[in-house]
Amino acid sequence: GDSVTQMEGPVTLSEEAFLTINCTYTATGYPSLFWYVQYPGEGLQLLLKATKADDKGSNKGFEATYRKETTSFHLEKGSVQVSDSAVYFCALSDSNKIIFGKGTRLHILP
Amino acid sequence: EPEVTQTPSHQVTQMGQEVILRCVPISNHLYFYWYRQILGQKVEFLVSFYNNEISEKSEIFDDQFSVERPDGSNFTLKIRSTKLEDSAMYFCASQIPGGRDTEAFFGQGTRLTVV
Repeated sequence: GDSVTQMEGPVTLSEEAFLTINCTYTATGYPSLFWYVQYPGEGLQLLLKATKADDKGSNKGFEATYRKETTSFHLEKGSVQVSDSAVYFCALSDSNKIIFGKGTRLHILP
Repeated sequence: EPEVTQTPSHQVTQMGQEVILRCVPISNHLYFYWYRQILGQKVEFLVSFYNNEISEKSEIFDDQFSVERPDGSNFTLKIRSTKLEDSAMYFCASQIPGGRDTEAFFGQGTRLTVV
């Protein structure tokens, strides 16, 4: 079945560093792809999405490009802030549900 | 901004008891979901619900679990005869019709602790 694999964490970076969190997927159809973020003690919030190949989703300085040829949707941010510390989930949607990766915990040091 | 509301935020129950977790989805949404997240682990799909019936359920969603939309606004997850391993954060989500392009909106979660 469909699945999502993302890099294991935790990832620890200094403020203003460049961030990449890798995500690859396996799907039989043409899913939409998402990044969700979970701040400490909170629920899941959509960070960005892309619905077809070569689409780029962006929000709050984060970007991810839907790469069909490499089945990837890597999350990037040019300059992270302490407030970006959270758990990031890559996800895809199939016809009846959203499938999540295991999550990557990000720690940003001041 | 509309949001998905879950109650209670934290539920402690004794092993073997039944619990009902409640969710109020966003009013014009038609797809509903329950997910669970065992502490520090991945977010696992339990069940999806559309048009008053289950669309899909995972292997986790066995006879111990049931869902209901009793009054057109609430969406509930019932867990019968709870076990220690049912301790987790349970998230409700809702989605407008539109297929796989639309995002699901998640509630803040109910932390279930089985003792």
